[in-house]
Amino acid sequence: DSGVTQTPKHLITATGQRVTLRCSPRSGDLSVYWYQQSLDQGLQFLIQYYNGEERAKGNILERFSAQQFPDLHSELNLSSLELGDSALYFCASSVTSGTYTEAFFGQGTRLTVV
Amino acid sequence: TQLLEQSPQFLSIQEGENLTVYCNSSSVFSSLQWYRQEPGEGPVLLVTVVTGGEVKKLKRLTFQFGDARKDSSLHITAAQPGDTGLYLCAGANTGKLIFGQGTTLQVKP
Repeated sequence: DSGVTQTPKHLITATGQRVTLRCSPRSGDLSVYWYQQSLDQGLQFLIQYYNGEERAKGNILERFSAQQFPDLHSELNLSSLELGDSALYFCASSVTSGTYTEAFFGQGTRLTVV
Repeated sequence: TQLLEQSPQFLSIQEGENLTVYCNSSSVFSSLQWYRQEPGEGPVLLVTVVTGGEVKKLKRLTFQFGDARKDSSLHITAAQPGDTGLYLCAGANTGKLIFGQGTTLQVKP
């Protein structure tokens, strides 16, 4: 158990809908990362938050947004969903942000868009 | 854009064989990590290397960071079926943790 909790574990929704994925980092970790993993794309970095502030941005679509709350949990919002958004979404957390970063991953949320 | 390229992408070997997985980039990273991921699970951190030329051992696994901190290798000695999984390298720089595409390893008994 990594200590990172993601909910829900599975999500099935229709195209055009909006969903929210939730992540609780390990106790004491200030950084939260979101990744998308699909079969043909590998693990793609979406966005990182550090202590409530956006720190780094990757290949995140405009339809996607995220935030980190004062209690350090994070949510990833996906809207106007398309079939191609079906993937595993992982959250990871780490103590530090910067050069020495060891990330601990949650179990992921498997999103299926039908 | 920082990219990490892993090779080979797929590897199927017999139990007891040795293997090496490579992770290469044109960019310099402050640190590089190796993860192992099983189907339906999140990646699990195996090791972090920080210093150019650094070598770390974890039982039958040997990790090396290139002198220029642009590449790394993972060597497994006497592979076992329990080593089967997806091996990912990841480079850390300016707050981002960038992953390679991964190497899928299958060790047959």
